[in-house]
Amino acid sequence: RKEVEQDPGPFNVPEGATVAFNCTYSNSASQSFFWYRQDCRKEPKLLMSVYSSGNEDGRFTAQLNRASQYISLLIRDSKLSDSATYLCAVAPSGNYQLIWGAGTKLIIKP
Amino acid sequence: GAVVSQHPSWVICKSGTSVKIECRSLDFQATTMFWYRQFPKQSLMLMATSNEGSKATYEQGVEKDKFLINHASLTLSTLTVTSAHPEDSSFYICSARRLAGDKNIQYFGAGTRLSVL
Repeated sequence: RKEVEQDPGPFNVPEGATVAFNCTYSNSASQSFFWYRQDCRKEPKLLMSVYSSGNEDGRFTAQLNRASQYISLLIRDSKLSDSATYLCAVAPSGNYQLIWGAGTKLIIKP
Repeated sequence: GAVVSQHPSWVICKSGTSVKIECRSLDFQATTMFWYRQFPKQSLMLMATSNEGSKATYEQGVEKDKFLINHASLTLSTLTVTSAHPEDSSFYICSARRLAGDKNIQYFGAGTRLSVL
């Protein structure tokens, strides 16, 4: 089993719809969680950190479920510009390395 | 604006030559930087952890003599691909670790696309 797993997609979603995807992690002692966005042939860019209480940034909401060991990302009112690959990253306890998921590809269609 | 600068962004070289890639943290000191490689449609693969003032820590399967890492200052790490071959063609990305509140966040350089002919 991979340490961090994501559904590779692609998720084909009409513009304006709400889309959500999850990322599961195997190390129950993991401490920090992040969502990054990567556009084609570009570097990953931090989208948001994921806090225990969940957090929201505009149309984006991230949640952490420690009991089931997954994080989620919800995108409301999706825009064409949201099309990208979304990577989750998990930092094990006491370790500053990030363990990366393979990414979920999202395609927003007009 | 960018907090991590990576150069060059694109390199085309002949087989057998060496290529040096620089990664700089622009407005913070980074004691730890990371080097990744990404093949098309694949996930990021961590190659090595670069530690300022000490030897890099390489991931299993990554040849340290082929991928030379130097982290001589708190703002600069370099990756040298020695005697590059076509199979080394890939997208190389560096990141720098920055403390933000209680979290260590990685910020990425724009990446270097290496094509070895």
